[in-house]
Amino acid sequence: SQTIHQWPATLVQPVGSPLSLECTVEGTSNPNLYWYRQAAGRGLQLLFYSVGIGQISSEVPQNLSASRPQDRQFILSSKKLLLSDSGFYLCAWSQRRQETQYFGPGTRLLVL
Amino acid sequence: AQKVTQAQTEISVVEKEDVTLDCVYETRDTTYYLFWYKQPPSGELVFLIRRNSFDEQNEISGRYSWNFQKSTSSFNFTITASQVVDSAVYFCALSEAVGGGADGLTFGKGTHLIIQP
Repeated sequence: SQTIHQWPATLVQPVGSPLSLECTVEGTSNPNLYWYRQAAGRGLQLLFYSVGIGQISSEVPQNLSASRPQDRQFILSSKKLLLSDSGFYLCAWSQRRQETQYFGPGTRLLVL
Repeated sequence: AQKVTQAQTEISVVEKEDVTLDCVYETRDTTYYLFWYKQPPSGELVFLIRRNSFDEQNEISGRYSWNFQKSTSSFNFTITASQVVDSAVYFCALSEAVGGGADGLTFGKGTHLIIQP
């Protein structure tokens, strides 16, 4: 069966510091991968999605970036964090477009 | 553009009551998919159901049921005989088959369901 992992689970970072969140999927190949952010008290917003290695599409302009160095690895990064980057970051995968997306456990990021 | 509205921000009921969570969507596509997810306090989103726009049959899974009505662009979720373990935030989401370019889901803002013992 397929599983999706995210780490770290929780992160507290100062403003201006770099960020790297990792997501890996097991038990499937060539998945579609997604990064979402959930700000406090709000719904989920799609940040990036990827249909293959090195292929990244951005939905929201911001100081975050994403990379997919391997088939089942998806990384969310920032060179300099802002206070507004605080939130709950969720990674998801699906086998094909419009199919069900399955979510990881998430990373809670607090920028101080 | 696609949009999902969950007008109920928070609902509180006593255990064993039935409760319905509303979801209204907007899309210009004729082919689309609707989803419900549950987010317990741990934060992980748990998939509940996926329905395509051509299948308007209502679905029942144990105490859960879903009512899809294209005429009113609604996809409502009912929990029968609610239990404390049903307490969570529930999200309705939409995915269009074509258009917009994005493969992601458009989520509503969620309904916080509180089941009191």
